Amino acid sequence: DVKVTQSSRYLVKRTGEKVFLECVQDMDHENMFWYRQDPGLGLRLIYFSYDVKMKEKGDIPEGYSVSREKKERFSLILESASTNQTSMYLCASIASGSYNEQFFGPGTRLTVL
Amino acid sequence: AQSVTQLDSQVPVFEEAPVELRCNYSSSVSVYLFWYVQYPNQGLQLLLKYLSGSTLVESINGFEAEFNKSQTSFHLRKPSVHISDTAEYFCAVNPSGGSYIPTFGRGTSLIVHP
Repeated sequence: DVKVTQSSRYLVKRTGEKVFLECVQDMDHENMFWYRQDPGLGLRLIYFSYDVKMKEKGDIPEGYSVSREKKERFSLILESASTNQTSMYLCASIASGSYNEQFFGPGTRLTVL
Repeated sequence: AQSVTQLDSQVPVFEEAPVELRCNYSSSVSVYLFWYVQYPNQGLQLLLKYLSGSTLVESINGFEAEFNKSQTSFHLRKPSVHISDTAEYFCAVNPSGGSYIPTFGRGTSLIVHP
């Protein structure tokens, strides 16, 4: 059974802390994504990666960075967490080819106090 | 560029009633179309997709969607909903033959009442 896993389901951090969200997929997918999900706004793309060490900004990259050192792992980093980054964060992966579906992790609900 | 509009942010229905969740898209190229479902406190999972061929596609749990090219729509329907269908539903499009990065609608919350 294919899987995308995320390191934490729930996370509480303080303003100014550095936060790492980890995502691992076991499907050998080239492409991985980080989204944030907020009520009424749907999914917004933060960053994506189409290969190891490659990354591209999505629609809302400000305040975030990413790391992809291995094909199966894609990390989202909040350098200095702020309260407006309180959200649900979803990781996804997809094989190359636009007809393919995305596979999502269970999400990390991050609260920044 | 593509855009996806889900016309209803929330759809309340009673159990065993029919439901339609609407999705319209715009694109300058051909697209592939997807519906994803998100149950409470979970990630998204694929419900059904249209790639080519028959314009009516079905899921294993009784949902169906019809691709209407002239109206650029991909509405999701179910003739009789169950309490367990309560979830958030997202419509998404991928441009065919190009970018693999989907464009999502803002989601429709289906709330099924007993």
